[in-house]
Amino acid sequence: AQSVAQPEDQVNVAEGNPLTVKCTYSVSGNPYLFWYVQYPNRGLQFLLKYITGDNLVKGSYGFEAEFNKSQTSFHLKKPSALVSDSALYFCAVRDISNDYKLSFGAGTTVTVRA
Amino acid sequence: GAVVSQHPSRVICKSGTSVKIECRSLDFQATTMFWYRQFPKQSLMLMATSNEGSKATYEQGVEKDKFLINHASLTLSTLTVTSAHPEDSSFYICSARAGTRRSYEQYFGPGTRLTVT
Repeated sequence: AQSVAQPEDQVNVAEGNPLTVKCTYSVSGNPYLFWYVQYPNRGLQFLLKYITGDNLVKGSYGFEAEFNKSQTSFHLKKPSALVSDSALYFCAVRDISNDYKLSFGAGTTVTVRA
Repeated sequence: GAVVSQHPSRVICKSGTSVKIECRSLDFQATTMFWYRQFPKQSLMLMATSNEGSKATYEQGVEKDKFLINHASLTLSTLTVTSAHPEDSSFYICSARAGTRRSYEQYFGPGTRLTVT
């Protein structure tokens, strides 16, 4: 089975500082990786995905992620965080061994303080 | 992007009653729909996968007689929580996919907060 791990339960940053949310993956073959964000009492919003191509993927709301095959990582980044970025972030992998279902990480709560 | 709606957004029911949650794909035909359950500040747990016109496939540990899923059309799937109990209180999220396998994106509904009193 394919899986992702988010090693940090919580990330706290000051507004204007860089934000990084970590994700590592374990897959056989080529990974299909995703980042989603969830605001309180809301569903998931798609941020970005990596299927193939450039290792640096740009997504919504100024977020980007870097696919690193040697480190099996797909960290989410934003150069300058906003208070409104405070939310729950999920990394996910499309599991090709399980009908391409999404398998989610445990989630990382991001708090950006003013 | 494609839109998935859920209704109701919040529901409160009494213990022992049943409640139905609807999930609709508004601008595409969803051959596959997924139902997730999420506890506070936790990840999404896949409950079941349904394909239009066929029986749902439930994940291990999910009671299929308690969580009835009907995917009657290409735009509608329903989750019925039967004989609800307080431990069924949770946030339920549906997701829809236009096709099978690799080339289709999965879109998420806004979620339904179920509270069983």
